[in-house]
Amino acid sequence: AQTVTQSQPEMSVQEAETVTLSCTYDTSESNYYLFWYKQPPSRQMILVIRQEAYKQQNATENRFSVNFQKAAKSFSLKISDSQLGDTAMYFCAFMKPGGGSEKLVFGKGTKLTVNP
Amino acid sequence: GAVVSQHPSWVICKSGTSVKIECRSLDFQATTMFWYRQFPKQSLMLMATSNEGSKATYEQGVEKDKFLINHASLTLSTLTVTSAHPEDSSFYICSALDRSKNIQYFGAGTRLSVL
Repeated sequence: AQTVTQSQPEMSVQEAETVTLSCTYDTSESNYYLFWYKQPPSRQMILVIRQEAYKQQNATENRFSVNFQKAAKSFSLKISDSQLGDTAMYFCAFMKPGGGSEKLVFGKGTKLTVNP
Repeated sequence: GAVVSQHPSWVICKSGTSVKIECRSLDFQATTMFWYRQFPKQSLMLMATSNEGSKATYEQGVEKDKFLINHASLTLSTLTVTSAHPEDSSFYICSALDRSKNIQYFGAGTRLSVL
């Protein structure tokens, strides 16, 4: 079974600074997807970024980028120019596509606070 | 991102009554939807996978007679908490799988309070 580990329960960063959230996972699959979702105080789960395992190029979405190290099974999220609105819980998640049931396996989350 | 609508956002009910939560995929047809439960300051816990036109698949430890799931159309899944008790009070979240992108999009969640 796949597992996802987020080793940082809480982190804080000053506004406009850069922060990196860590995520490691364990799987024997070769084809899979990795995600970062954020959950702000409103509790709405929002997709931040997605990475396909067979793509070597790291995904980027504006201020958000990932460092995907497939051999090390590491998938960290870098947030540049942090904004107050980035304050949220961040969940790393794994998904194996196909098979009729594409479950997400979540990590326990990292609570990020952006300070003014 | 795609929109998934979940209603109601907050419901209060008396112990012993049943509550229905709706999850609609507005932008795409979702043959597969998921229902999660989230306890305070914890991650999402998958309760069941809802497949259109077939029975839901429940995770171990989830009472299927307690949490009834119906996925009668490609855009709607419902979760009914039957004979609700205070211990069922929680935050319930649905998601819909967009197979063309292999992405799950989430509803805004439902806060259930059972008195």
